[in-house]
Amino acid sequence: TQLLEQSPQFLSIQEGENLTVYCNSSSVFSSLQWYRQEPGEGPVLLVTVVTGGEVKKLKRLTFQFGDARKDSSLHITAAQPGDTGLYLCAVPLNNNDMRFGAGTRLTVKP
Amino acid sequence: NAGVTQTPKFQVLKTGQSMTLQCAQDMNHEYMSWYRQDPGMGLRLIHYSVGAGITDQGEVPNGYNVSRSTTEDFPLRLLSAAPSQTSVYFCASSYEIPLAGGTDTQYFGPGTRLTVL
Repeated sequence: TQLLEQSPQFLSIQEGENLTVYCNSSSVFSSLQWYRQEPGEGPVLLVTVVTGGEVKKLKRLTFQFGDARKDSSLHITAAQPGDTGLYLCAVPLNNNDMRFGAGTRLTVKP
Repeated sequence: NAGVTQTPKFQVLKTGQSMTLQCAQDMNHEYMSWYRQDPGMGLRLIHYSVGAGITDQGEVPNGYNVSRSTTEDFPLRLLSAAPSQTSVYFCASSYEIPLAGGTDTQYFGPGTRLTVL
């Protein structure tokens, strides 16, 4: 089993709809990062959350770190075609390692 | 700044061939790493380096070698390619070493898509 479980694996919605994707684990983390990856490109960092219960907003994207620091969610309001991509969560571990989830592949149709 | 650059962008190999994937960064980052990305499995760490002359294994190191002779370059060598190494390979760099609780940004290259026949 993977350290980070992301759901859903695939999501296809119409422009203007709202959506939430999840990153869950049974482990506790000191911080968690969200990346977006577009086709043919490398991942790009969107946000880092550090404190349990923390909420960060980036324009129409809202990121929340769970109170117990085991999970996180990403909510997109009024999705646009430009939001299309693979959303990855990742955690830095003590042994110089970064672990990634498998990602949620989002398609926003015009 | 060019950021993190990778060459080649695409490569096809036959089983048993060897090759080197190139990675360079111009941000003076100490930490560099190689990942492979396979469908349904996310990115998995192959090898990493915390500075020139220092390398270590990640989660999936078998079949790969690395070296770090300069701060800027971190090549990944496939010694004898196998079909199981068909994947997309990403190089990344960051100013700080990833640590639990860390918030530093990792910058990724555009990737090399490798197919082994």
